[in-house]
Amino acid sequence: GNSVTQMEGPVTLSEEAFLTINCTYTATGYPSLFWYVQYPGEGLQLLLKATKADDKGSNKGFEATYRKETTSFHLEKGSVQVSDSAVYFCALAVFGNEKLTFGTGTRLTIIP
Amino acid sequence: GAVVSQHPSRVICKSGTSVKIECRSLDFQATTMFWYRQFPKKSLMLMATSNEGSKATYEQGVEKDKFLINHASLTLSTLTVTSAHPEDSSFYICSARVGLNQETQYFGPGTRLLVL
Repeated sequence: GNSVTQMEGPVTLSEEAFLTINCTYTATGYPSLFWYVQYPGEGLQLLLKATKADDKGSNKGFEATYRKETTSFHLEKGSVQVSDSAVYFCALAVFGNEKLTFGTGTRLTIIP
Repeated sequence: GAVVSQHPSRVICKSGTSVKIECRSLDFQATTMFWYRQFPKKSLMLMATSNEGSKATYEQGVEKDKFLINHASLTLSTLTVTSAHPEDSSFYICSARVGLNQETQYFGPGTRLLVL
């Protein structure tokens, strides 16, 4: 079956620190990979995605590269801001199947 | 952008009662809506997929008679937890999809249910 494993939180960083949130996956078939973000009191929003190996998704300074050899899709940002405080979910979907499989979510808190 | 609302955001009820949660797409028509359940420190688990005007498709292990889903219009889906028990306490999240791409799911803010 399909599964997503992401690093346990919570993660607390100082403003302007470098961020990495690890995500690895197992999938039957060739998945598309996603990062969703949930800000306090809001619904999940698509942050970035990648649909094939070596693709890099990017948005709002965040990046993640689809690594087929290591089955990973780690989220990175070079300099985080207080406004990045949120819960981040890694997810996958296999072509032909509309369902998303989510990781457990990682709560990120950025302190000034 | 596309907005999905849920109501109520939080509900506390007595064991044995039924609770209805609404999911609305506010500025678009959703052909498909999804219902998820999230336990503390766990993944979002898909409960069911709901297409407007047809019966919902439930995931394995989800009781159809327990979690009634109705998708009567292109902007509204409801989840009714029937005869709720404390083990049904959880965070319920809906999403609505526009088109056929998986990534175009827009999520609601969730409803926290506490059954006493």
